[in-house]
Amino acid sequence: AQSVAQPEDQVNVAEGNPLTVKCTYSVSGNPYLFWYVQYPNRGLQFLLKYITGDNLVKGSYGFEAEFNKSQTSFHLKKPSALVSDSALYFCAVRASYGGATNKLIFGTGTLLAVQP
Amino acid sequence: EAGVAQSPRYKIIEKRQSVAFWCNPISGHATLYWYQQILGQGPKLLIQFQNNGVVDDSQLPKDRFSAERLKGVDSTLKIQPAKLEDSAVYLCASSLGQGAHQETQYFGPGTRLLVL
Repeated sequence: AQSVAQPEDQVNVAEGNPLTVKCTYSVSGNPYLFWYVQYPNRGLQFLLKYITGDNLVKGSYGFEAEFNKSQTSFHLKKPSALVSDSALYFCAVRASYGGATNKLIFGTGTLLAVQP
Repeated sequence: EAGVAQSPRYKIIEKRQSVAFWCNPISGHATLYWYQQILGQGPKLLIQFQNNGVVDDSQLPKDRFSAERLKGVDSTLKIQPAKLEDSAVYLCASSLGQGAHQETQYFGPGTRLLVL
């Protein structure tokens, strides 16, 4: 069965420091991997995705993520955090088995708190 | 480009009452999804439409939940009768299609439901 784990409920980082939000996955076959961000009382905003190709994926707002097949991980990173990055981050996976459904399996979310 | 629209944004009802949510996807998007997000959890797919056909409704509690997308554009999700455990945010998302580079899902702001 497909699953996603976000091992940290909350990540605290000082403004200007690099940040990492961790994600590991379990899926049969090759994964499609996504990161979304959710601000209070807002829907999920797409940040970036990995389908195939280069293991380092660049996305919106200066975020990037590294796909590591051997560690089944897809950690979200940013070189220099901003206070405005404070939000809830979700990792999601979809199996590329060619089935009819595009169902995404989401992790439980990681709250990122950036202190000024 | 307009995003995914949802209404209402908030709804409070008593248990055993009925409620309906509306979603208008991004123009041209063939695939529409309804997710349920319970507080502290990641979104969970309820139903996926491809145009006006159902692709996946395996997680939809069909004894009380129903959804339709009659003309292949906007969609309605209904709960009848509501239970306390239905309190959640209901998110609508849409994507161009189902190919690897067409299936990024874009989410609406959600409808927050409270069942008393």
